[in-house]
Amino acid sequence: NAGVTQTPKFQVLKTGQSMTLQCAQDMNHNSMYWYRQDPGMGLRLIYYSASEGTTDKGEVPNGYNVSRLNKREFSLRLESAAPSQTSVYFCASTDRVFQNYEQYFGPGTRLTVT
Amino acid sequence: RKEVEQDPGPFNVPEGATVAFNCTYSNSASQSFFWYRQDCRKEPKLLMSVYSSGNEDGRFTAQLNRASQYISLLIRDSKLSDSATYLCVVMRYNDYKLSFGAGTTVTVRA
Repeated sequence: NAGVTQTPKFQVLKTGQSMTLQCAQDMNHNSMYWYRQDPGMGLRLIYYSASEGTTDKGEVPNGYNVSRLNKREFSLRLESAAPSQTSVYFCASTDRVFQNYEQYFGPGTRLTVT
Repeated sequence: RKEVEQDPGPFNVPEGATVAFNCTYSNSASQSFFWYRQDCRKEPKLLMSVYSSGNEDGRFTAQLNRASQYISLLIRDSKLSDSATYLCVVMRYNDYKLSFGAGTTVTVRA
């Protein structure tokens, strides 16, 4: 099992460009999450999907959109990138069955917006 | 006020030493608690869950104090491989969302 995979690993964008970060998991998990991590701050939740077909805003959703394409895939889109979106983005998944709340993280996407 | 606060450290300790640090949480509705470990520029990974009665996993001991709303992690007999950032995480049962602290950095030196 690959676990949680993310593409790309690194990306540099100019202000105003758009891009989609891809995330996939092969653990048959119901719930998937997108976080951003900035220096000196904890991971902050951008959007999450409790189950296939549902998405909800997290703590910092402005400037982002998501799509839960199927049970495996959850993508994050930046429509018009801004320097404030320079960050490391982590995708995570979990299966809350049997009270297992461990979240499994992908390796991250390091995004720089100039 | 941040929902989860941690002393950022760094805690620099020699091999074999014991190191302990806390985190505080502000939301009394928080129901589940965890410590995650994050190595430099890598993804966080679950180190251990924290149970009300306190729990051990090898050299790691976690404690929960609900009255004072803090969680602690103690590492005994530190190894070089324990050098990492330790993230304190709390979860609310009503929406299963996790809130992360900014992390405590531990560096174990030979």
